[in-house]
Amino acid sequence: QITLKESGPTLVKPTQTLTLTCTFSGFSLTTNGVAVGWIRQPPGQALEWLALTYRNDDKSYSPSLKNRLNISTDTSKNQVVLTMTNVDPVDTATYYCVHRRPRLFGFDPWGQGTLVTVSS
Amino acid sequence: QSALTQPASVSGSPGQSITISCTGTSGDLGIYNYVSWYQQHPGKAPTLMIFDVSNRPSGVSNRFSGSKSGYTASLTISGLQAEDEADYYCSSYTRSSTYVFGTGTKVTVL
Repeated sequence: QITLKESGPTLVKPTQTLTLTCTFSGFSLTTNGVAVGWIRQPPGQALEWLALTYRNDDKSYSPSLKNRLNISTDTSKNQVVLTMTNVDPVDTATYYCVHRRPRLFGFDPWGQGTLVTVSS
Repeated sequence: QSALTQPASVSGSPGQSITISCTGTSGDLGIYNYVSWYQQHPGKAPTLMIFDVSNRPSGVSNRFSGSKSGYTASLTISGLQAEDEADYYCSSYTRSSTYVFGTGTKVTVL
């Protein structure tokens, strides 16, 4: 059974760097074609795809946020870390960690999500 | 990249069929058959309902079906049930090797 769980701060001040960790089980990121990504959802708004990483360190980022995002992996700990620099109140959202199977262009399953509020 | 366009809301009576559209561009839906659909109940994480246009993951009811024509993908829910009331999002892979989500559709069962 594949599970993912997000962890990190619930409150961040504007201009600070947000660091979120996804801890997963039930699969290995060393498997060819497997990917882990991040998606966010501001309160009452739509989903927004942020970033994705594969085992070979191949990464992709949302064009509108790529200058502020970095996704990294620690395969020994089964973790994927997302950092977002210079946060703003508009970055307030629930952040989800997701799994992508090989040759399947959809995300399944999703973590439970973690709400991050950006406020001074 | 701009979000895919979905109707804000769709409604239907129990037992009816409804269809949600998802319109993209030549950079996403127009070139790839990598469309997925997600269901999200209030306060819950989304769950995958359809992948690669028309495939259902195991455990998803066959009342859910997907299709695509040109720049528009569609999700049809047949035999509408009260439990289908939720928000639905489409998503597509893009020519930039990224993903884009739709604007979301609220389904109401009358």
